[in-house]
Amino acid sequence: KAGVTQTPRYLIKTRGQQVTLSCSPISGHRSVSWYQQTPGQGLQFLFEYFSETQRNKGNFPGRFSGRQFSNSRSEMNVSTLELGDSALYLCASSSDRGLSTDTQYFGPGTRLTVL
Amino acid sequence: KNQVEQSPQSLIILEGKNCTLQCNYTVSPFSNLRWYKQDTGRGPVSLTIMTFSENTKSNGRYTATLDADTKQSSLHITASQLSDSASYICVVSARGNNRLAFGKGNQVVVIP
Repeated sequence: KAGVTQTPRYLIKTRGQQVTLSCSPISGHRSVSWYQQTPGQGLQFLFEYFSETQRNKGNFPGRFSGRQFSNSRSEMNVSTLELGDSALYLCASSSDRGLSTDTQYFGPGTRLTVL
Repeated sequence: KNQVEQSPQSLIILEGKNCTLQCNYTVSPFSNLRWYKQDTGRGPVSLTIMTFSENTKSNGRYTATLDADTKQSSLHITASQLSDSASYICVVSARGNNRLAFGKGNQVVVIP
């Protein structure tokens, strides 16, 4: 079974631009979560989608948004990029059987650099 | 203050030696605690998941312990290998909303 895939793997943008990142979950997984990872802050939760609906949201400004499609693929958008948005953006999917121990499987991430 | 604190922040160990990583949390009510391993340039990979009733769980040379009373967990690496060089992240889930709290990771470097 193929793992979680993210595209693109690397991205360089300038301040003020907007960016869209894509995530394809493991086949059959309906829950997709997005995280931002920086050396100083570690992993921070952005949002979670389940069956095309945002189910949970972290404490990020409205410039960060996402959506999920009917095939469970998800996109994350960041508008008006700032230097501080430079980070590794990770996507994770889970089968979401309703168990608290459902395992999240992470993709390799998209490395975003804002100049 | 972060709800999950990990120590030490980084450590260097000789190949073949054992090491123990610590995770203290304040998340309440507690649902489960996970340890992830993240190799450089890759996404985290789940090592163990423990619920309130479990106090130890192993995955090969990795053994995690949990003391839900003191809100502490440890990850013990036995007979370390060069491939164990990675960041180890402790993640605690709250019961009810399943919100996740992340530690900043323990950076482990294994040298020959």
